[in-house]
Amino acid sequence: QKEVEQDPGPLSVPEGAIVSLNCTYSNSAFQYFMWYRQYSRKGPELLMYTYSSGNKEDGRFTAQVDKSSKYISLFIRDSQPSDSATYLCAMSRNAGNMLTFGGGTRLMVKP
Amino acid sequence: SAVISQKPSRDICQRGTSLTIQCQVDSQVTMMFWYRQQPGQSLTLIATANQGSEATYESGFVIDKFPISRPNLTFSTLTVSNMSPEDSSIYLCSVGYRGSEQYFGPGTRLTVT
Repeated sequence: QKEVEQDPGPLSVPEGAIVSLNCTYSNSAFQYFMWYRQYSRKGPELLMYTYSSGNKEDGRFTAQVDKSSKYISLFIRDSQPSDSATYLCAMSRNAGNMLTFGGGTRLMVKP
Repeated sequence: SAVISQKPSRDICQRGTSLTIQCQVDSQVTMMFWYRQQPGQSLTLIATANQGSEATYESGFVIDKFPISRPNLTFSTLTVSNMSPEDSSIYLCSVGYRGSEQYFGPGTRLTVT
């Protein structure tokens, strides 16, 4: 069993839809949670970073962490074609430590 | 956030040769990491590049195959040695910044023929 599980998709939605991306993890030692966006042939771009359980909002993006269920989510409101990319969840045990990544979800937003 | 550059951006190499990838950061950082992303896959940590000491390698990666240098707080290199087609991947460096945030370089796309 992988430490971090993520539905690979692809997930196809119409423009303007609300997108929900999810990861589950098995190791309760993970304390820091991140979401990255990766466009084709580019490096991952940090979108959201959270530590505590609960919600964190930044523009159209909301990250949600439920440590009791070992479940994290990224919501994208009013999705745009420019949001079409692969989204990677990542987590670490300690500050400044290595990241363990999910497999990535490929998202396609159709105009 | 930190600005990270990598050289080369891509290369096509012959089997049995070696390639050194450079990672440059625009500010001093303590933690630097090297990841590999195989085609269609997620990222796997190769090693943590420590300034002033030997790199720390993850299971499945060895220093003879992936020697790493970290001469100062803004620069690191990863060498892929004695390459085979299985080494064809994207190699990414990342830096730890403001605690747990990690930022990635643009990657080096390596094809081994």
